[in-house]
Amino acid sequence: GENVEQHPSTLSVQEGDSAVIKCTYSDSASNYFPWYKQELGKRPQLIIDIRSNVGEKKDQRIAVTLNKTAKHFSLHITETQPEDSAVYFCAALDYKLSFGAGTTVTVRA
Amino acid sequence: SAVISQKPSRDICQRGTSLTIQCQVDSQVTMMFWYRQQPGQSLTLIATANQGSEATYESGFVIDKFPISRPNLTFSTLTVSNMSPEDSSIYLCSVESGGANTGELFFGEGSRLTVL
Repeated sequence: GENVEQHPSTLSVQEGDSAVIKCTYSDSASNYFPWYKQELGKRPQLIIDIRSNVGEKKDQRIAVTLNKTAKHFSLHITETQPEDSAVYFCAALDYKLSFGAGTTVTVRA
Repeated sequence: SAVISQKPSRDICQRGTSLTIQCQVDSQVTMMFWYRQQPGQSLTLIATANQGSEATYESGFVIDKFPISRPNLTFSTLTVSNMSPEDSSIYLCSVESGGANTGELFFGEGSRLTVL
């Protein structure tokens, strides 16, 4: 089955700086790669996703890039704000959605 | 996005007892998914529930421990049986908000179980 690895496990950034989280996956058949944000005590929420026929997707301050050859994808958050502080999970879909271990992002004011 | 109602939102349970979690969706969906999130951990799929058939369980999860019902296209239940402290987790119901087989999961608020 699919194995998703996510790095780093924790990330502390200064407000206004950029944050990058990287994930690798094992199953070349995976074709959908979402990112979820989970604030403390809340449910995971989909913030951006990318499918295997696209290399990059952007939505305001967040972007995701996908390298199918290397089997890795990344989340980029620019101009970070305190409300970006949360746990972020990447995931990959083969027959089911498999999640990475998560990255705790802290934005320092 | 779908509206998902989960009950209970939280509960404290005694060792050896069982608890049933309910998940109600505001629209008909083919598949409903049950996830477990242990404290400080990621999300792990327990099983996929299809209406009219037995649930499909992932490796490490068995029907005797986590029986699932799916009586119609908007409702499902997950029972955590014979609970132990290791079952203390958040249990999340989810559906594909973007349509069947899209992978775009929308989660309920979760049911936080603490087993003493």
